[in-house]
Parts: sequence; C-alpha cells; structure tokens
Amino acid sequence: DAKTTQPPSMDCAEGRAANLPCNHSTISGNEYVYWYRQIHSQGPQYIIHGLKNNETNEMASLIITEDRKSSTLILPHATLRDTAVYYCIVSVNAGKSTFGDGTTLTVKP
Amino acid sequence: DTEVTQTPKHLVMGMTNKKSLKCEQHMGHRAMYWYKQKAKKPPELMFVYSYEKLSINESVPSRFSPECPNSSLLNLHLHALQPEDSALYLCASSQERRGGRNEQFFGPGTRLTVL
Repeated sequence: DAKTTQPPSMDCAEGRAANLPCNHSTISGNEYVYWYRQIHSQGPQYIIHGLKNNETNEMASLIITEDRKSSTLILPHATLRDTAVYYCIVSVNAGKSTFGDGTTLTVKP
Repeated sequence: DTEVTQTPKHLVMGMTNKKSLKCEQHMGHRAMYWYKQKAKKPPELMFVYSYEKLSINESVPSRFSPECPNSSLLNLHLHALQPEDSALYLCASSQERRGGRNEQFFGPGTRLTVL
C-alpha cells in the first residue's frame, strides 16, 4: 500500500471551509484514497473515498489531483464537532492498509 | 443497523488473568478486524478475518488470541498480558467487495488496563 504524508496539525475557524491535504506520490492505479476521522476517545469514522474522480457526500468533498499523487479533503462549513484527527489511507482494500499519523484538525470559535 | 458494538467498554486485568473482548456487527460484513491504539498514536492493525477465517496476523504475540465464531462475532482472548499491552482495542468490519469500496465501520473500542 502507498504511504501517505499529512501535516501533523491544522486550525480552522468555525463556519469556514477546512481543507486537509494528503500526499500519496507512490499511489498505484488500483489504489483508492480513503478518509477517516477519529474524535477523541472514539472509534474512527469513515468519511469518504475516491479513485480518480472528485467525490462529494453529506459529510465532505474529496478532490484528487489528475496525477492522483495528492488529494484534499474539504469540510465545507467546519463546526466545533469536526475537531478530530483525520486520516488519509491509500489502499486497494482499506481494511488491510496502514493508518498514518493523520492531521489533528482544531476548529476554533 | 450500521453499528459495531464492543464489550466491555473498560477492562482492568492483572498479568495472570484471562479475559476476552467481544465485538459484534449485524451489517452482513464478511471481514472483521482487531486494532490496537496507544495514546496519541494511530490504530495498528492486529488481525483480519475474512469469511470467518484468519487472513492476516500482523506478527501479534501469542498472548492475544483471536476467534471468529460466526460471521457476526469476533472475540479477542487475552492471557498473560504485560502492562505495555494497555491500550484502546478497536474492532471494525467491512464488506469484502473486489475493487474497493470496502470502508470500515469501527466500534467504540475497549479501554484495556493491565496492572
């Protein structure tokens, strides 16, 4: 599975968009990009995933660059409840992949 | 039902005790996972069961013994643990579709303390 690189921490103002980057320069053609988040002391929660195209669901949007070497998770209107550790995982099968260190997002009032 | 349940929520055990962690899902998922998470670290994969058979063991010490009695249940049997085994133990499940879209659903975890 491809290795991912994420900034260790980011801040975002409440109500603003939070843009979380992930680099996965060694991604292969059949690997998906998955995003999860973990709110303090809870189990990780699936957010979104994609292969080539940009994706949107009720929680977030995922933008994948054309060369697929990086992606950005967008939370359009961050709330205090979005404060969490966000993990980007690249894998053929998410269940057998490795969590990196993630990005700690702090949403501030 | 899109929930993975884990019991107990908290467990304190001595190094000579034998205990078990339990995990249950009713989403029809055929893959189930155990992770270990130390404080301020990402989850580390321990075991994967696929169609009730152990498919991945990430070189976990034998004092941790997984069991998958049926497609909905996953146990982790603990024996002769060490204090450094204290951690949050997470269970997850997913579909086993070929070609992706196998997002995992995680339980809330069991907080284990070994004295």
